[in-house]
Amino acid sequence: DQQVKQNSPSLSVQEGRISILNCDYTNSMFDYFLWYKKYPAEGPTFLISISSIKDKNEDGRFTVFLNKSAKHLSLHIVPSQPGDSAVYFCAASARNTDKLIFGTGTRLQVFP
Amino acid sequence: KAGVTQTPRYLIKTRGQQVTLSCSPISGHRSVSWYQQTPGQGLQFLFEYFSETQRNKGNFPGRFSGRQFSNSRSEMNVSTLELGDSALYLCASHGGGHLVDEQYFGPGTRLTVT
Repeated sequence: DQQVKQNSPSLSVQEGRISILNCDYTNSMFDYFLWYKKYPAEGPTFLISISSIKDKNEDGRFTVFLNKSAKHLSLHIVPSQPGDSAVYFCAASARNTDKLIFGTGTRLQVFP
Repeated sequence: KAGVTQTPRYLIKTRGQQVTLSCSPISGHRSVSWYQQTPGQGLQFLFEYFSETQRNKGNFPGRFSGRQFSNSRSEMNVSTLELGDSALYLCASHGGGHLVDEQYFGPGTRLTVT
């Protein structure tokens, strides 16, 4: 049972345009969400997070939006750069469980 | 400050064998978590150790076990290997607060079971 789903395994975006990566979850107890980026041969690195008390969090080119009623979050990258090409994982947690549940990842390719 | 290190980086084993993977967390970090990454399954949580005690556990069979030493280094053991155990095994360390706080991942150990 996949509690965190990233339904798009891959996404291709032109440099300078917006990249939108989506993530859906099923567990209404989740109250904290994170995005990680992973390059080949490296471990995932933390990108940005959001608490369920917010609906938006911004950090430079990266913005995460949370829609609790739809159980959906998205990561916006504007403008996209070739160096953003990587696999992006969303993750969710319910604070009373102390566990991070990851999605299956979306491979983003930014082309010139 | 050195990052999270994992050894070995690559490993090939035969079905039925056992394997031990090692993880050294960032200096000062007391918590180590282990994940299995396979295509189509994403990162699946195996277990977390904090101060030499298993604090959290995922839904993996008992063939998967771990331990943590007093210097916070952690090992993961998989016994009676199966073909489906082929995966990238990642460990992550953090300071010991709530698990969802920012974790630092190592580069992983790529295990191939033949």
